[in-house]
Amino acid sequence: DTAVSQTPKYLVTQMGNDKSIKCEQNLGHDTMYWYKQDSKKFLKIMFSYNNKELIINETVPNRFSPKSPDKAHLNLHINSLELGDSAVYFCASSLQGVGPGSAFFGQGTRLTVV
Amino acid sequence: GNSVTQMEGPVTLSEEAFLTINCTYTATGYPSLFWYVQYPGEGLQLLLKATKADDKGSNKGFEATYRKETTSFHLEKGSVQVSDSAVYFCALADSGGSNYKLTFGKGTLLTVNP
Repeated sequence: DTAVSQTPKYLVTQMGNDKSIKCEQNLGHDTMYWYKQDSKKFLKIMFSYNNKELIINETVPNRFSPKSPDKAHLNLHINSLELGDSAVYFCASSLQGVGPGSAFFGQGTRLTVV
Repeated sequence: GNSVTQMEGPVTLSEEAFLTINCTYTATGYPSLFWYVQYPGEGLQLLLKATKADDKGSNKGFEATYRKETTSFHLEKGSVQVSDSAVYFCALADSGGSNYKLTFGKGTLLTVNP
């Protein structure tokens, strides 16, 4: 069983479109994250959710809206896609008590905006 | 704010060579420190961690010691294998209540040739 699964794995879309990336974890974790990895492999936190509550929003544009319907899911919706949004997006989860350092990461979603 | 600086790659070694990837950090308080590994086309995996000064994390022949006096957490392996080829990320997480994110270094690409 995959611990943290993201769909889709690849996403190619045109500028201006709206798209969503889904993430699910079956580890019983209470904290979930979205990270963005740019073309130079640099990883940066975007959002953290704990028990469905937004804890961190790291100065991400309003076009990005995370939604956590329950503790096992954290979806990422992106409006009006721009070329600069092209990146690999990673979902992760952890137990709050253990801390983010023991997070499990998904396989990533490679978003290409053309 | 927190930051992590790791040596820029790429690093290219022959099989059985000794590996060191330098990592230094800036943080308030006493962060936890981590090394993550990203194999080609995959998500990140926790390689090892240390949560307090002088702790040594180890896994799969890799080691790193938390050095508070030099604010460093260098990754070492005595004899690398071709299968160790990957991108290695040093990261830190704040201690205490606001530990909902990892701050990553820029990653170091390691290529091991037979």
